[in-house]
Amino acid sequence: EAGVVQSPRYKIIEKKQPVAFWCNPISGHNTLYWYLQNLGQGPELLIRYENEEAVDDSQLPKDRFSAERLKGVDSTLKIQPAELGDSAVYLCASSPRGGDEQYFGPGTRLTVT
Amino acid sequence: QQQVKQSPQSLIVQKGGISIINCAYENTAFDYFPWYQQFPGKGPALLIAIRPDVSEKKEGRFTISFNKSAKQFSLHIMDSQPGDSATYFCAASGYEGNTPLVFGKGTRLSVIA
Repeated sequence: EAGVVQSPRYKIIEKKQPVAFWCNPISGHNTLYWYLQNLGQGPELLIRYENEEAVDDSQLPKDRFSAERLKGVDSTLKIQPAELGDSAVYLCASSPRGGDEQYFGPGTRLTVT
Repeated sequence: QQQVKQSPQSLIVQKGGISIINCAYENTAFDYFPWYQQFPGKGPALLIAIRPDVSEKKEGRFTISFNKSAKQFSLHIMDSQPGDSATYFCAASGYEGNTPLVFGKGTRLSVIA
């Protein structure tokens, strides 16, 4: 069974530029999460989707961050414009319906210069 | 406000020894307590998890001990091996994800020969 797929794995951009991250969850997993992981810290939830509906986006900085999950499968997280403080690893995770277990992808390491 | 407090921040253990990592939580709505293992450049991988209806769960060399009254849980790694060297995160969430998964700050484990 394929795991959670994320791309790109690494991204370097200049501040004020836009950036997008893509995630393909484990097949059949209805719930999808985006997390932010700063260096030396645990992941922090940005947004949770149940199918195509964002059911918890309270921690998403909506002035510059946006996300979508069209057709309830793949998801894209966008930052526009990026700031220096956005440098971090962006993780995607998925879980089956009604399940607590979350399975993480390898993450995208973003560097904003 | 840190909902899950993890200690120690770093740990050095001799090969064959026992590694012990502790976590404490405050939110009584938490009912799912996983441990994740993360290697550099990889996403967190689910290692083992427990629910409050049992006090201990063992899978191979990994054991979770859970103390509901003290609101504490710990990970024990028996016969620690150099390949166990990684960062370990405890986490907690509420019923079916309605209380989002929150992570501790992590413990960097080094197992030396």
